Amino acid sequence: DVKVTQSSRYLVKRTGEKVFLECVQDMDHENMFWYRQDPGLGLRLIYFSYDVKMKEKGDIPEGYSVSREKKERFSLILESASTNQTSMYLCASSRTGYYGYTFGSGTRLTVV
Amino acid sequence: EDQVTQSPEALRLQEGESSSLNCSYTVSGLRGLFWYRQDPGKGPEFLFTLYSAGEEKEKERLKATLTKKESFLHITAPKPEDSATYLCAVQVGGGSQGNLIFGKGTKLSVKP
Repeated sequence: DVKVTQSSRYLVKRTGEKVFLECVQDMDHENMFWYRQDPGLGLRLIYFSYDVKMKEKGDIPEGYSVSREKKERFSLILESASTNQTSMYLCASSRTGYYGYTFGSGTRLTVV
Repeated sequence: EDQVTQSPEALRLQEGESSSLNCSYTVSGLRGLFWYRQDPGKGPEFLFTLYSAGEEKEKERLKATLTKKESFLHITAPKPEDSATYLCAVQVGGGSQGNLIFGKGTKLSVKP
């Protein structure tokens, strides 16, 4: 079964810490995405990547960065975690073209 | 501006009570419409893709339809296990324009 795997289901971090969220897909998809999901706000796109070493800002990139050194792996980095980054983070991947996304199970991040 | 609106925000049904969820969109050049199911604390799970007006897809108790301005997800004789949030998303073009635009979802509760 094809998968998008996020490294952690739950994380608790302290304010100011540097946080890494890892995502790996085994479908040889070109495109990868990071979203955050908050009640009432829906899914909001943080960053996406169409190819290795490429990245593009989504709707809410402030306070985040990403890295894609290998096709299968897309990392989200919180440079200095803040309490307003407490959220559910979802990684997704897709083939190029008009196809839907495959999502990971999500990481529930709490910043205290 | 491209927009996707889902209604109602929440829907409570009795087991066996059929109903429909609505996804209306205002986009320039629809390339695909996607329905996802999301269980609490998990990532969205793909249900259907619709590409052109008049198209219909079915899976168990779910049937998705598409017109030029909206899509419906019909749920026939729902069961408690159908309780989830249902997300609709549209894709409008290539490159960054090919990113999915999500609605905020309809939270469905089915009581026994």
